[in-house]
Amino acid sequence: GAVVSQHPSWVICKSGTSVKIECRSLDFQATTMFWYRQFPKQSLMLMATSNEGSKATYEQGVEKDKFLINHASLTLSTLTVTSAHPEDSSFYICSALGTVNYGYTFGSGTRLTVV
Amino acid sequence: AQTVTQSQPEMSVQEAETVTLSCTYDTSENNYYLFWYKQPPSRQMILVIRQEAYKQQNATENRFSVNFQKAAKSFSLKISDSQLGDTAMYFCAFDSNYKLTFGKGTLLTVNP
Repeated sequence: GAVVSQHPSWVICKSGTSVKIECRSLDFQATTMFWYRQFPKQSLMLMATSNEGSKATYEQGVEKDKFLINHASLTLSTLTVTSAHPEDSSFYICSALGTVNYGYTFGSGTRLTVV
Repeated sequence: AQTVTQSQPEMSVQEAETVTLSCTYDTSENNYYLFWYKQPPSRQMILVIRQEAYKQQNATENRFSVNFQKAAKSFSLKISDSQLGDTAMYFCAFDSNYKLTFGKGTLLTVNP
């Protein structure tokens, strides 16, 4: 079945530094990738949608200069949290929409802790 | 904007019994998809079942089935023969125009 590999699974960084999270679709081409944020015991909140080769579309309230998204190929999307602060600590999940069968495949998530 | 409501924050069921999780949604769209996702403690989102709005027949996947009432905008999930491994957070999700909107989730605990 479709697999999305997300790395790293967890990361601790110092306040003010940047962190990059990668999502790769391993056995299918992902025309569209999505990035979500999930706080403890809460639901997934869509941050942005990215299509291969074009700029990401950010949801209202999400700072595009802080959360940089790149979708350079049909199998790779990255989320870079720039100048991270403790309030950016959260669980980030990517999801990919396949080109063949309609459906969403989720990565395993990244737990980001900013200290 | 679409909204998804899961009115049961927590539920519990005895192993081997049946449990139903409720979900309602609000939309003006006619064509859409509905999903139930499971998120166990590992936090990996796992697709449980999918329903296309244009299909009247309720989707089923082994022990999992839905009761889709389009007019009532209701999409409940029934889990039969509950197993300990079913313990997880369950999210109902609405999809229109390639955008998923999730409910707040129901934490299901299966007791031995």
